[in-house]
This record gives sequence, structure tokens and C-alpha cells, in this order.
Amino acid sequence: GDSVTQMEGPVTLSEEAFLTINCTYTATGYPSLFWYVQYPGEGLQLLLKATKADDKGSNKGFEATYRKETTSFHLEKGSVQVSDSAVYFCALLTGTASKLTFGTGTRLQVTL
Amino acid sequence: EAQVTQNPRYLITVTGKKLTVTCSQNMNHEYMSWYRQDPGLGLRQIYYSMNVEVTDKGDVPEGYKVSRKEKRNFPLILESPSPNQTSLYFCASSPRGGMKTEAFFGQGTRLTVV
Repeated sequence: GDSVTQMEGPVTLSEEAFLTINCTYTATGYPSLFWYVQYPGEGLQLLLKATKADDKGSNKGFEATYRKETTSFHLEKGSVQVSDSAVYFCALLTGTASKLTFGTGTRLQVTL
Repeated sequence: EAQVTQNPRYLITVTGKKLTVTCSQNMNHEYMSWYRQDPGLGLRQIYYSMNVEVTDKGDVPEGYKVSRKEKRNFPLILESPSPNQTSLYFCASSPRGGMKTEAFFGQGTRLTVV
């Protein structure tokens, strides 16, 4: 079946550091890929998405590129802020059932 | 404001006492679903609905029921809750099924079954 593997956290960074959160996937067919973010006490919000190979999703300084050859969708940001502290979920979407398959989430803590 | 609203946000209940968690969306979305979030497991889909009166099981449906009598509402029913259903629950909606549509999530319901 479909699955998403993302790096375990927590990830602790100083403000203005470079961020990478790795995500790889296994899917039958050709999925769409997403990063969702969950701030403390809130639901998930879409951060960015890519629907075909080599697409780059970007939002709020975050980027991720759909790499079909390596089945990866790594999240990057050049300079993190304290306000980026949250849990980040990589997810894929396949098929007519529109089921999102999530990774286990990576907690990011950014300190001053 | 476009949103998915869940109630209650927090609930503590006893084993076996039936409960319902409500979910409502104001975006006229066709597709709705329920997920549970557990540490180390991410989010797992419980049930989904492609449209009114059309529901189907997700990955972890045991112990849950849903209904979709109206487009905007998708309640989650636990007929006889057990402690292993203690979890954080999220309702989500999308404009339609398909490969490219974004899901909008409610704020979550933290359920504790004692």
C-alpha cells in the first residue's frame, strides 16, 4: 500500500538556520504530494503542494520539489523563524477515494 | 469565513457511553473525511464521504460510524467508546474527490475515554 516516511524529530534549530525535513514515499500510481503544517492547538493547514514530477511547491519561504526518480519531496527553508515552530506532515494523495496518506510528522522547534 | 467546524474541542467520557462528534463545513464541499492522529502514527483515515448519502471505510473504521444526510455535515459516532479510541480527531473537507484538491481541516477534537 501507499506509505510516507519522514524524518523523526524533534528538529531544533536556531533562528535564521537552514531547514531540511526529508520525506520519501511509496505509492501505486502517480500521487500528488503535500506538506501540511500544524501549529500548537490547531488543525492542519496546507503549506504547499506539487502534482507532477519536477513541480516545485512553495509558500512562506518553504519549498519542496517532486522528485519521481528518488520518490522524495523534501521540505526546505533558507532561514527559519521562531514562528515556524510547528509539526510538519508530508502526505500523498492517490486515487478516486482521495485518501491522504500521512507521514508521522516532524516537530520543528526554532529558538532565538 | 470559510471553515470546518468541529465540536466539541475536548471531551472526556467513560467506556461504553455513546458519543457524537459533529463536523460542519461552509464551503459547499462534496468530499469530507475523518482522521485520527496518534503519536508516532501520523494521521489515519477513519471514514470518508464522496457526497451526500455516500460513505466508505478508510484505514481504521472499526468502532466508528458516520452519516452524510446533508452536504455540510459529517458527524462521527462512537456507539460504544473504548480506551483505545482515545485520540485527537480531525474532520476534513475538499471541494471534490480527485488528485489535486487541497483538504481543509477542522481544529480537532481531543477525546479521552476512561
